[in-house]
Amino acid sequence: DTAVSQTPKYLVTQMGNDKSIKCEQNLGHDTMYWYKQDSKKFLKIMFSYNNKELIINETVPNRFSPKSPDKAHLNLHINSLELGDSAVYFCASSQGGGRVHEQYFGPGTRLTVT
Amino acid sequence: SQKIEQNSEALNIQEGKTATLTCNYTNYSPAYLQWYRQDPGRGPVFLLLIRENEKEKRKERLKVTFDTTLKQSLFHITASQPADSATYLCALYTDKLIFGTGTRLQVFP
Repeated sequence: DTAVSQTPKYLVTQMGNDKSIKCEQNLGHDTMYWYKQDSKKFLKIMFSYNNKELIINETVPNRFSPKSPDKAHLNLHINSLELGDSAVYFCASSQGGGRVHEQYFGPGTRLTVT
Repeated sequence: SQKIEQNSEALNIQEGKTATLTCNYTNYSPAYLQWYRQDPGRGPVFLLLIRENEKEKRKERLKVTFDTTLKQSLFHITASQPADSATYLCALYTDKLIFGTGTRLQVFP
């Protein structure tokens, strides 16, 4: 029944490692997003894909690479993890079609880099 | 510089009262504004969307206003309940959603 799911829920890793977070939505939406929420709870968009095509790429280090194998999935791969990457990462999705729609968020992945 | 500010970081009110949360923005011209609720350890949940040409939107006990002259949105929860306790986020839509800092609402019995 889950609309937007993310795995894993928690990720603890050491600096320098590479890790991936997976996201899937079963809502039939065309657009998917990655957001980062920092320790001050500020939520900021990182990437947006529409039908597997990258449409928003904020000023994110190129150690972060999103990949969309199909429109229901948007994964986030992070290379050479740094302490400052510790945050909660949210995946979201929305309908496309040129109108603004509400976004549906996943439960989040809490990444801790030690 | 561009900013979105939500009134206070935390707002405490008594059950049954109306909670009013404020979202002010500068140097944006949003076409839409959205409000989300976020509970601890969970993702934001959409509540309401209001367009720039709409003054007010209601949904059950929720009401949102949007004043593009004042560059402000007000979010009201009437007859508030302890279950309304959460963080509320406003978000402007330009070509993407830009979130405010959030207001943590605590409704006490």
